[in-house]
Amino acid sequence: KAGVTQTPRYLIKTRGQQVTLSCSPISGHRSVSWYQQTPGQGLQFLFEYFSETQRNKGNFPGRFSGRQFSNSRSEMNVSTLELGDSALYLCASSREDLLSSYEQYFGPGTRLTVT
Amino acid sequence: DAKTTQPPSMDCAEGRAANLPCNHSTISGNEYVYWYRQIHSQGPQYIIHGLKNNETNEMASLIITEDRKSSTLILPHATLRDTAVYYCIVGYTGTASKLTFGTGTRLQVTL
Repeated sequence: KAGVTQTPRYLIKTRGQQVTLSCSPISGHRSVSWYQQTPGQGLQFLFEYFSETQRNKGNFPGRFSGRQFSNSRSEMNVSTLELGDSALYLCASSREDLLSSYEQYFGPGTRLTVT
Repeated sequence: DAKTTQPPSMDCAEGRAANLPCNHSTISGNEYVYWYRQIHSQGPQYIIHGLKNNETNEMASLIITEDRKSSTLILPHATLRDTAVYYCIVGYTGTASKLTFGTGTRLQVTL
């Protein structure tokens, strides 16, 4: 079974630009969550999508947004990039079926550098 | 969600059991204990989770005290590839998809 895939793996952008990151969950997984990891703040939850709807949201500004498609693939967008947005962005998927399979499976991440 | 406390770092000799403790004294009755680990430059990896009973899978065992205020993750025969940061997280199943990671325990397995 293929794991969670994220594209691109590495990205360099300039302050003020916007960026879109993509995540393909494990087949059959309907929940997709996004996290930001920085050396200073550690791993922080951004938001979660389930059945194309945002179900949970972390404490990030509105410049961070996302969406989920009918095939469960998800994208996150960051507008007006700031230097502090440089981070590893991780996507995770989970099944959440009647068997209560709540464990999350993470992708390798997209490393975003803002200059 | 309840907070967790873990030692910042631990060492373990290869082949020995690694016992990673976690305190979660404010855990609620229906909050689960989850363990993840993150090997350098990779995404976190799910290890195990439990509610009240001890759990075991192919990767590790999870021992939860009777009062549920603490737990221990056991890697029975640590290898160099188990060197990673281990995160103990508590939360309701409804929040399993929005994990709150702390600083974790950096486990160093040595020869």
